[in-house]
Amino acid sequence: GAVVSQHPSRVICKSGTSVKIECRSLDFQATTMFWYRQFPKQSLMLMATSNEGSKATYEQGVEKDKFLINHASLTLSTLTVTSAHPEDSSFYICSALLAGALTGNEQFFGPGTRLTVL
Amino acid sequence: AQSVTQLGSHVSVSEGALVLLRCNYSSSVPPYLFWYVQYPNQGLQLLLKYTSAATLVKGINGFEAEFKKSETSFHLTKPSAHMSDAAEYFCAVSESGGYNKLIFGAGTRLAVHP
Repeated sequence: GAVVSQHPSRVICKSGTSVKIECRSLDFQATTMFWYRQFPKQSLMLMATSNEGSKATYEQGVEKDKFLINHASLTLSTLTVTSAHPEDSSFYICSALLAGALTGNEQFFGPGTRLTVL
Repeated sequence: AQSVTQLGSHVSVSEGALVLLRCNYSSSVPPYLFWYVQYPNQGLQLLLKYTSAATLVKGINGFEAEFKKSETSFHLTKPSAHMSDAAEYFCAVSESGGYNKLIFGAGTRLAVHP
């Protein structure tokens, strides 16, 4: 099956610093990737849709200057949390869209990145 | 707008018992429906999906779900629970014709007791 990786799996940073999270589709090309945020014991909330070679589309209420998304290649999207604060601590999960002529498109999820801001 | 409601944030069953996790959806267009499982500190794994073909969908690990349009439901079942089924389960909906934007339910935590 299609595999999506995330790096790092866990990061702890000081308040005010920036953190970059990578999402890679390992065995397929993905023109579209998604970034989700999950608070403890809660569901996934879509933050933004990342399109290769163009600007990301952010969901309502998500600060695009706070959460910078870059999708520079067909296998890599990055999420940078700028000037992180404790309230940004969360589990960030990405997914990559695999286009399929027979089965339609399907999202494959990465293992997630646990961000803790001190 | 699409939405998903999962009834019961926590479900507890005995090993070997029937598992029933409830999901109701709201969609103004024919939906695609999904069930995902999440183990602690991990991403999501697709259990099964409904894409307007057969209404009874069989997935991995012995799970299945039935799409009932009249009830706007897509409940997940498994005849006999295993200890390894203990996890968080999410129902999700997307517009038909693509899997582009998933709307997730709040999730149901399944506990399996010996």
